[in-house]
Amino acid sequence: KAGVTQTPRYLIKTRGQQVTLSCSPISGHRSVSWYQQTPGQGLQFLFEYFSETQRNKGNFPGRFSGRQFSNSRSEMNVSTLELGDSALYLCASSLEGQGEVYGYTFGSGTRLTVV
Amino acid sequence: SQKIEQNSEALNIQEGKTATLTCNYTNYSPAYLQWYRQDPGRGPVFLLLIRENEKEKRKERLKVTFDTTLKQSLFHITASQPADSATYLCALDDPEGGSYIPTFGRGTSLIVHP
Repeated sequence: KAGVTQTPRYLIKTRGQQVTLSCSPISGHRSVSWYQQTPGQGLQFLFEYFSETQRNKGNFPGRFSGRQFSNSRSEMNVSTLELGDSALYLCASSLEGQGEVYGYTFGSGTRLTVV
Repeated sequence: SQKIEQNSEALNIQEGKTATLTCNYTNYSPAYLQWYRQDPGRGPVFLLLIRENEKEKRKERLKVTFDTTLKQSLFHITASQPADSATYLCALDDPEGGSYIPTFGRGTSLIVHP
């Protein structure tokens, strides 16, 4: 079956702009989590969505937001981009309550560069 | 919150040897601990999970141990191959915080030389 699909793979944006990233989870997976990965901080949890509701949120400013649609696809948005937002943004999906049992399936990520 | 420590220095070993990677945590014992492999520019790939009441878990050439007294997990790859070269991440949940969302270590890079 198809894996987790993230689009686009690469993005270059200018400071102050906003960006939207997309994630399509594995069919049947209703939980979608977003992570930011940088060399300095490693993988940092952004938020998790389940059935169109945000269930958990990491320690990121309000410029980072997300949503989930009825088909479980998710988007995350970053407004007023800063240079420090340059990172690999990863999406992970899992069955409800199963991520901690069977692990999380990650997409290949979106590489965002802010100039 | 949980603090996770993985060796930041790359581990270099010869093909055929056993690679051993370490994951230490500093606070409360997690309900589960997961290991992932990550290749450059790609997302992590789930490898193994071990629960708090398990001492050891195996899968093909992989073995994970979990010592809640030492607050440590060891990840072993036997008969290592150059294709095993990657960064390996451990991840733990946060039972005291009431969250099952995993917190990831920064990973250890493994380089297997032919």
